[in-house]
Amino acid sequence: EVLLLESGGALVQPGGSLRLSCAASGFIFSNFAMSWVRQAPGKGLEWVSDISGSGTITNYADSVKGRFTISRDSSKSTLYLQMNSLRVEDTAAYYCAKDRLFRGPGDSWGQGTLVIVSS
Amino acid sequence: DIQMTQSPSSLSASVGDRVTITCRASQGINTYLAWFQQKPGKAPKSLISSASSLQSGVPSRFSGSGSGTVFTLTISSLQPEDFVTYFCLQYNSYPLTFGGGTKVEIK
Repeated sequence: EVLLLESGGALVQPGGSLRLSCAASGFIFSNFAMSWVRQAPGKGLEWVSDISGSGTITNYADSVKGRFTISRDSSKSTLYLQMNSLRVEDTAAYYCAKDRLFRGPGDSWGQGTLVIVSS
Repeated sequence: DIQMTQSPSSLSASVGDRVTITCRASQGINTYLAWFQQKPGKAPKSLISSASSLQSGVPSRFSGSGSGTVFTLTISSLQPEDFVTYFCLQYNSYPLTFGGGTKVEIK
């Protein structure tokens, strides 16, 4: 069974930093690209970033480019999202997801971790 | 960027009704279109990928169709557990983009 468990969400001040983690199990982690998707309170879904299975290729939404960095550690089967220069509008539940073979979040998602950016 | 326009944003229906939700892409995306269901406070659940391929374990009352720029999700006979929110996602090109969502409510 595929399990994804996010952690690291917290209340942080504007301009601050936070690192989210997503511990994966139940599949060969290095064989699959992974995504982060976020959802602001009461709003829709927004794709944030993804990373190839090898970790060599990354993609970002324009809204986070230059501020967020996605990475992964295959030895720990863990996905990360380093978030810097946080803004109020980054407030959201952040989900990690196991990608489909081609591209994009597929059928396995974590339960989400809440990031609140507020002074 | 490819814009995904999902309609309606909400709809009211009864148990047993047939409902259709539409997503329109601002440019052609072949069949790189997925549908997700989301219950309140929960992570999205994948229903359909490649526009029409039902995910394993998803009831057959759900179906998807379309290619290019217009896609539909149809629920043939609404069940009580289906009164939640649905999103489409295009994964043809970066940045990946979701539709705005459709909330299905009980009439």
